Amino acid sequence: QVQLQQSGPGLVKPSQILSLTCAISGDSVSSKSAAWNWIRQSPSRGLEWLGRTYYRSKWSNDYEESVKSRITVSPDTSRNQFSLQLNSVTPEDTAVYYCARLYCSSISCYVDYWGQGTLVTVSS
Amino acid sequence: AIQMTQSPSSLSASVGDRVTITCRASQGIRNDLAWYQQKPGKAPTLLIYTVSNLQSGVPSRFSGSGSGTDFTLTISSLHPEDFATYYCLQDYNYPLTFGGGTKVEIK
Repeated sequence: QVQLQQSGPGLVKPSQILSLTCAISGDSVSSKSAAWNWIRQSPSRGLEWLGRTYYRSKWSNDYEESVKSRITVSPDTSRNQFSLQLNSVTPEDTAVYYCARLYCSSISCYVDYWGQGTLVTVSS
Repeated sequence: AIQMTQSPSSLSASVGDRVTITCRASQGIRNDLAWYQQKPGKAPTLLIYTVSNLQSGVPSRFSGSGSGTDFTLTISSLHPEDFATYYCLQDYNYPLTFGGGTKVEIK
């Protein structure tokens, strides 16, 4: 059974850095059958995918275009976790943030496990 | 990015009713479509993946169908615990995109 445990602050000041971590149990961040994602949810934007990191023969990332200049998703193999860093936040970044695993079988890929969610409020 | 248009945005139904929710993709996504259930204050949980495959532990009253651009989630007989919000997700390509959600409320 895969479990994803999120940690990080719930309040961030405008223009500062939002940082969250997702600890993985039951799988490896280096798995070649998985990609590790950050997704957020707000009343105004709904569910919005932000970015991912994954390992095949090397580490790679993909990011949503609207946050591409501000986001970093990175693995930590020593702790079997991955993290989100979002720079220069504004109140529009206020949302519940989720980490999630996208699992790839031999025939398809799908998001199957989610972290518990972290409400991050951007406010001074 | 692929747009996922989900309908209806909300519906009222009674226990025992058959409920159908649809999702339309702005372009073909093969069979890379999943459905999720979300209850207030909780993360979404996977119901169905690859259009019609039931996730382990999900009751058989949930089913999915469709192909290409048009997909359907059906609940054959609503149970009290099924009152929630449902989302579709395309994982055909990145960025992953979600439908806007369907809130199933008690009539």
